[in-house]
Amino acid sequence: EPEVTQTPSHQVTQMGQEVILRCVPISNHLYFYWYRQILGQKVEFLVSFYNNEISEKSEIFDDQFSVERPDGSNFTLKIRSTKLEDSAMYFCASRDTFGYGYTFGSGTRLTVV
Amino acid sequence: AQKITQTQPGMFVQEKEAVTLDCTYDTSDPSYGLFWYKQPSSGEMIFLIYQGSYDQQNATEGRYSLNFQKARKSANLVISASQLGDSAMYFCAMREGSGGSNYKLTFGKGTLLTVNP
Repeated sequence: EPEVTQTPSHQVTQMGQEVILRCVPISNHLYFYWYRQILGQKVEFLVSFYNNEISEKSEIFDDQFSVERPDGSNFTLKIRSTKLEDSAMYFCASRDTFGYGYTFGSGTRLTVV
Repeated sequence: AQKITQTQPGMFVQEKEAVTLDCTYDTSDPSYGLFWYKQPSSGEMIFLIYQGSYDQQNATEGRYSLNFQKARKSANLVISASQLGDSAMYFCAMREGSGGSNYKLTFGKGTLLTVNP
C-alpha cells in the first residue's frame, strides 16, 4: 500500500537552530499538508500546499516556518529558529483528488532543548 | 465554537465487547467528510473509516462502522469485538467543502480507548 514517508523519525535540536523536516508524499497525490501535535494534545493544522504554493496556513504558521517542494517528490517543512514550544510531533499528509484519502506519515518527533 | 467535539477523554472496554466513541461536528457547509483515525502509542496516524455528507448509508470497514446521524451532526465510531490491539487514541476529523478543493482536516481532541483482557 502506498505510504507517506517522513524523515527523520526523531530530531533533537538546540533552541535557535534551524531544522528541516522531510516528507515524501504519495506519488499521485496533489495536495500536501503539515500538522503538529504537541504531546498529549490535539492534532493542529499548520499549512496546506497545492500546485507549488501555499493554499492555506494557520496562525501557528508564522514567519519562522516555511514549506517547499524542491523537486517532484520531496515536501519539506523548515523552522528557521526553533523555540522550546516548537517541540512536538510533526505529521506530513497527502491527499488524493477525491478527498477521501488523507494519508499521514509516521511523524517526526522534534525536541527543542 | 469547536468544529469537532469528542466528549470522552477516556473509555474502557472489555475484550470482545463493542464500544462506541462519540463525535459531534459543527459546520454550515452542505458538503463535508468525516474521518476517524487511530493513533497507537507508537505515534502514527492510521486511517480507519470515512463518511461523506451525502452518503446515504453508514460507512463500514471490517470491525469499524460509523453511526452517522446527519440531523444530530454526530458521527460516532463503533468498534465491534474489541481486541487488545485496539487500545489507542482515536481522533475524529472533518473536511469541509468538496473533495476537489484543497481543504484541511480539523481534528477533535481525541478519545483514549483502553481494552481490558
